[in-house]
Amino acid sequence: AQSVTQLGSHVSVSEGALVLLRCNYSSSVPPYLFWYVQYPNQGLQLLLKYTSAATLVKGINGFEAEFKKSETSFHLTKPSAHMSDAAEYFCAVSDAGTSYGKLTFGQGTILTVHP
Amino acid sequence: EPEVTQTPSHQVTQMGQEVILRCVPISNHLYFYWYRQILGQKVEFLVSFYNNEISEKSEIFDDQFSVERPDGSNFTLKIRSTKLEDSAMYFCASIFDREEVQPQHFGDGTRLSIL
Repeated sequence: AQSVTQLGSHVSVSEGALVLLRCNYSSSVPPYLFWYVQYPNQGLQLLLKYTSAATLVKGINGFEAEFKKSETSFHLTKPSAHMSDAAEYFCAVSDAGTSYGKLTFGQGTILTVHP
Repeated sequence: EPEVTQTPSHQVTQMGQEVILRCVPISNHLYFYWYRQILGQKVEFLVSFYNNEISEKSEIFDDQFSVERPDGSNFTLKIRSTKLEDSAMYFCASIFDREEVQPQHFGDGTRLSIL
């Protein structure tokens, strides 16, 4: 069974600072990994996905994530935070062909950006 | 860009009443999902649906829950006799083809409040 752990339920950065949101996964098969963002009162929007191609994945809004198998990690980064990045971020893992693609989510990390 | 739409955005129901949450997935998608998010907790998988039948369900999805695709466009989640602990945000999602590991497209959710 898959599981996802997001370290830090709240992360606070200053505008222009580096954003680092941590995600570690557990999977018995090669994982497919996703980062989703949720703005207040909205649904989940895909930021980026890893599907066993390049280990460094670029997403929307300047975010990127690096898959590190040895560390079972898929941390999300952005070089320079913007006020509009304030939201909740979810890391998720999907079975690679062992189920109908259900997603298992982490607990979420609320990102606050200070001016 | 096509969207998954959910109605209503907010549903208030008395405990013990039946409730139906409605979703219109993206038109050419084949796989459908319901997830829920209890306030302050992570997003949890409820059920997946393909070819007019449930393909997988979680422990949460007990006999009080059912899903249906009554026509070619709607996908519904019914809770037969609601309980206080059913209060949550419910998200519908869909994908075209799980083999391609398409990212799931989520609706904006229905906030269900049980009184």
